[in-house]
Amino acid sequence: QLQLQESGPGLVKPSETLSLTCTVSGGSISSSSYYWGWIRQPPGKGLEWIGSIYYSGSTYYNPSLKSRVTISVDTSKNQFSLKLSSVTAADTAVYYCARRATVVPAALFDYWGQGTLVTVSS
Amino acid sequence: SSELTQDPAVSVALGQTVRITCQGDSLRSYYASWYQQKPGQAPVLVIYGKNNRPSGIPDRFSGSSSGNTASLTITGAQAEDEADYYCNSRDSSGNHHVVFGGGTKLTVL
Repeated sequence: QLQLQESGPGLVKPSETLSLTCTVSGGSISSSSYYWGWIRQPPGKGLEWIGSIYYSGSTYYNPSLKSRVTISVDTSKNQFSLKLSSVTAADTAVYYCARRATVVPAALFDYWGQGTLVTVSS
Repeated sequence: SSELTQDPAVSVALGQTVRITCQGDSLRSYYASWYQQKPGQAPVLVIYGKNNRPSGIPDRFSGSSSGNTASLTITGAQAEDEADYYCNSRDSSGNHHVVFGGGTKLTVL
């Protein structure tokens, strides 16, 4: 059974960089059938796609966050990571990592991590 | 980029049928996927593609699409179906960008 687990600091200071890692177990991150993504959810609000990465390293970012986001992959560790720079209180959210399957022309995320709350505060 | 529009809230009587809709230009080119999210939990994929259910999803959940509108139908809603439901799709620009709808809060009365 595929599992994804987010890890990283739960508290980040304003103007600093948020860094999270997603560890994938029970399957290979190098499969050509999947992308790997980050999605966030501010408290009480909806889901927002942050970006996705393919095992080859190709990245796709939400245009509204593109200037501050970097997603990378480490196939040797079966992990992918998120960096979000110059954070503000508006970046406080639960951050999810998820697998995006390509079986149909859609953006289906079939496996999700449990999510990790990141609070931006001094 | 594209947008997906959902009604903020919908209610249904226990055992009745409810349809939750999602509108957006990208749905003319790409399928919607539907997610159920209960408080404090990660979203769960319930419908994808033309009308596919992942393993473990009850068959009372079904999906359909017409033009720029996708629908999630729950036939015989149960108390445990009370949750937030989100649709998503690929962006209509043809790249690999993703968009989510704003979500629909389903209340089972």
